[in-house]
Amino acid sequence: RKEVEQDPGPFNVPEGATVAFNCTYSNSASQSFFWYRQDCRKEPKLLMSVYSSGNEDGRFTAQLNRASQYISLLIRDSKLSDSATYLCVVRPPGGYQKVTFGTGTKLQVIP
Amino acid sequence: EAQVTQNPRYLITVTGKKLTVTCSQNMNHEYMSWYRQDPGLGLRQIYYSMNVEVTDKGDVPEGYKVSRKEKRNFPLILESPSPNQTSLYFCASSSPGQGTHEQYFGPGTRLTVT
Repeated sequence: RKEVEQDPGPFNVPEGATVAFNCTYSNSASQSFFWYRQDCRKEPKLLMSVYSSGNEDGRFTAQLNRASQYISLLIRDSKLSDSATYLCVVRPPGGYQKVTFGTGTKLQVIP
Repeated sequence: EAQVTQNPRYLITVTGKKLTVTCSQNMNHEYMSWYRQDPGLGLRQIYYSMNVEVTDKGDVPEGYKVSRKEKRNFPLILESPSPNQTSLYFCASSSPGQGTHEQYFGPGTRLTVT
């Protein structure tokens, strides 16, 4: 089983739709979780950290389910500018520098 | 402007010809990393550095070398490039003091080895 798994998509959704992605991780002792956004052929950028209690940033909501070992990202009222690849990132225990990236989920928001 | 720079941005080279990809950050970050990104495999860590003169292997270090002689610079060296090192490379930096653990990535270097 991969350390971090994501559905590659693509998820094609109309503007205004709500879309959710999940990401599963294999190491139950993993400590930190993040969502990064990557536009085509560009560098990844941090979208949001994922906290145990769940957190929201505008139209974006991130949640962590430790029992089932997955994190989720919910995007409400999708905009064309949300079209990108969303990368799940997991930091295992014991190392600040060692993180594992998922392969990403591609989102295409359609007019 | 806070940033991570990489050079060159694009490089086509031949098998066996040594090359260096430079990475520099102006945020005084202690931590720096190199990643490669390949279709279907995602970002994989090659090497990382926790500070000057402190480096360690990531998940795919074979065929690569790094050095960290100055805090701001973290070059990636391919002593004898091979076609399987054709990839998109990203340098990243971060600081544990930030709290968010956010990594700042450079714009990427697209390397083709023929």
